[in-house]
Amino acid sequence: GAVVSQHPSWVICKSGTSVKIECRSLDFQATTMFWYRQFPKQSLMLMATSNEGSKATYEQGVEKDKFLINHASLTLSTLTVTSAHPEDSSFYICSAAIKAGGAYEQYFGPGTRLTVT
Amino acid sequence: QKEVEQNSGPLSVPEGAIASLNCTYSDRGSQSFFWYRQYSGKSPELIMFIYSNGDKEDGRFTAQLNKASQYVSLLIRDSQPSDSATYLCAVSKSNYKLTFGKGTLLTVNP
Repeated sequence: GAVVSQHPSWVICKSGTSVKIECRSLDFQATTMFWYRQFPKQSLMLMATSNEGSKATYEQGVEKDKFLINHASLTLSTLTVTSAHPEDSSFYICSAAIKAGGAYEQYFGPGTRLTVT
Repeated sequence: QKEVEQNSGPLSVPEGAIASLNCTYSDRGSQSFFWYRQYSGKSPELIMFIYSNGDKEDGRFTAQLNKASQYVSLLIRDSQPSDSATYLCAVSKSNYKLTFGKGTLLTVNP
């Protein structure tokens, strides 16, 4: 159980274009999903918290107009990187939270490697 | 002071030995503590979580939590080369948002 998928697993795009990344919980419903970004040899940095049916909550320093998040259903959240630039090249990982024993456990998708040329 | 600190390593142990990974956190309000394993180029995989002071064992893995000292550790017994990875410590308050440490790179030598 607790399987999270992401699509695509990697993508190369040209500067100025937009890229959409999908995150799905396959065997459970996730009211809350999270989007992280990880640069080489660094830890995961939380970008935003995605709540089904409501607006995402962005972390400080993350541009909400650049990183559009939509959580349309209990099993799907999408992240769209708009007008991508080379500095947006990174490993984007989503996670879905399951409540267990009074706390939440997060299970991660396999990640999407974005390269902007 | 960083919110979650880990010994950066790299930590190298021989096959069959015990690997000890340490983590300290600054927020005394933290309630949940997680250890993730991340292989190079892959996303993190949940290994263990612990909420209460003391030890929690799962197979070859033992998590230890000491809230008074704001310290959490992960012991890996009978280390295998397949355990070679970066281990991420993460802490959470009641709002389930995770704060990660930078990770410790573990290498298990055959």
